[in-house]
Amino acid sequence: RKEVEQDPGPFNVPEGATVAFNCTYSNSASQSFFWYRQDCRKEPKLLMSVYSSGNEDGRFTAQLNRASQYISLLIRDSKLSDSATYLCVVNEDYGQNFVFGPGTRLSVLP
Amino acid sequence: EPEVTQTPSHQVTQMGQEVILRCVPISNHLYFYWYRQILGQKVEFLVSFYNNEISEKSEIFDDQFSVERPDGSNFTLKIRSTKLEDSAMYFCASSEGTGKETQYFGPGTRLLVL
Repeated sequence: RKEVEQDPGPFNVPEGATVAFNCTYSNSASQSFFWYRQDCRKEPKLLMSVYSSGNEDGRFTAQLNRASQYISLLIRDSKLSDSATYLCVVNEDYGQNFVFGPGTRLSVLP
Repeated sequence: EPEVTQTPSHQVTQMGQEVILRCVPISNHLYFYWYRQILGQKVEFLVSFYNNEISEKSEIFDDQFSVERPDGSNFTLKIRSTKLEDSAMYFCASSEGTGKETQYFGPGTRLLVL
């Protein structure tokens, strides 16, 4: 069964904290990896793609470990506006559909 | 910035009725998708569409569902004989290339079946 699993959450952190989310995927043939964020009752929005070498976008850093089938997202200096559910998303094989993890909810507190 | 649009934003229907959910993908995108998200659950893939035909579908996408691109801009999801368990948020998405590329999601249609 194809699965994407994430930290169950929720994470409640103070402003300025660093928080890390973990994700594992079961299909070793997975090809593309993404982090999306979803605000309450809204659509998923791309946060960042995840590349094999790891990548950084401002306060956000994503890492991929293909051997362990593990993806991570690090948020530094968290802001109130970072409060959302973070979705780990995997494109499996060469198919076209995305497989979504259940999401990890983050609340950044003042 | 181009975006995916969906109509209606909310739809309430009686069990057994047919509904059509509409989407306008980003204009230069070639791949289109429908996903659903039952309240409190994860986003689930339904179907992908390319070159005027279904390219992939999940086990959720049974004979009750159909998709169509009736003209050059719209992409529709039809649900026949709706059931209570069809109540969910339905998201349309599009991508420029294959699913390995970023998919952009519309704001969703919230469907409530009574």
